[in-house]
Amino acid sequence: AQSVTQPDIHITVSEGASLELRCNYSYGATPYLFWYVQSPGQGLQLLLKYFSGDTLVQGIKGFEAEFKRSQSSFNLRKPSVHWSDAAEYFCAVGGSGYSTLTFGKGTMLLVSP
Amino acid sequence: NAGVTQNPKFQVLKTGQSMTLQCAQDMNHNSMYWYRQDPGMGLRLIYYSASEGTTDKGEVPNGYNVSRLNKREFSLRLESAAPSQTSVYFCASSVGQGDQPQHFGDGTRLSIL
Repeated sequence: AQSVTQPDIHITVSEGASLELRCNYSYGATPYLFWYVQSPGQGLQLLLKYFSGDTLVQGIKGFEAEFKRSQSSFNLRKPSVHWSDAAEYFCAVGGSGYSTLTFGKGTMLLVSP
Repeated sequence: NAGVTQNPKFQVLKTGQSMTLQCAQDMNHNSMYWYRQDPGMGLRLIYYSASEGTTDKGEVPNGYNVSRLNKREFSLRLESAAPSQTSVYFCASSVGQGDQPQHFGDGTRLSIL
């Protein structure tokens, strides 16, 4: 069965510092991988996705993620965090077809001044 | 551009009552989804619809029914609400048939007493 693990429930980063959110997945075939962000009281917004090709993918809001097949990871990064990045971040894995998308439990990002 | 609109935003029900959660998208998307989000659980797919006139069960369909009324609207019905259905419900949509969800509504916060 497919699964996603986000090992960090909460992360606190100083404004202007770099960020890396971890995501490990389990999937029997070539995965489709996603990162979503959820601001308080709102729905999820798709940040970026990986289907195939270049293992470093660029997303919106200055985020990027790197697919590492050997480590079954898809970590999200940002060089310099802004206070507006404080939110909850979800990693998700699936195959072709919407019915197979599995979400991680989320990582809450707190940004300190 | 409204995107995905959900109504109501909040609702309190008594056990055994019924209600319908409304969702509409104005992006001419083919696929629509209903998820529930519970603390520490990520999102779980309840039902999805690849196109007008088709619906399929997701991971947690028990206790729910859906209707894809037309291309714009996808409603979720609780026939006899139970406390275990207390959750935040998100509707989502995507362009193609079989795409992963791209746009989410702001959610319906449902409490069942």
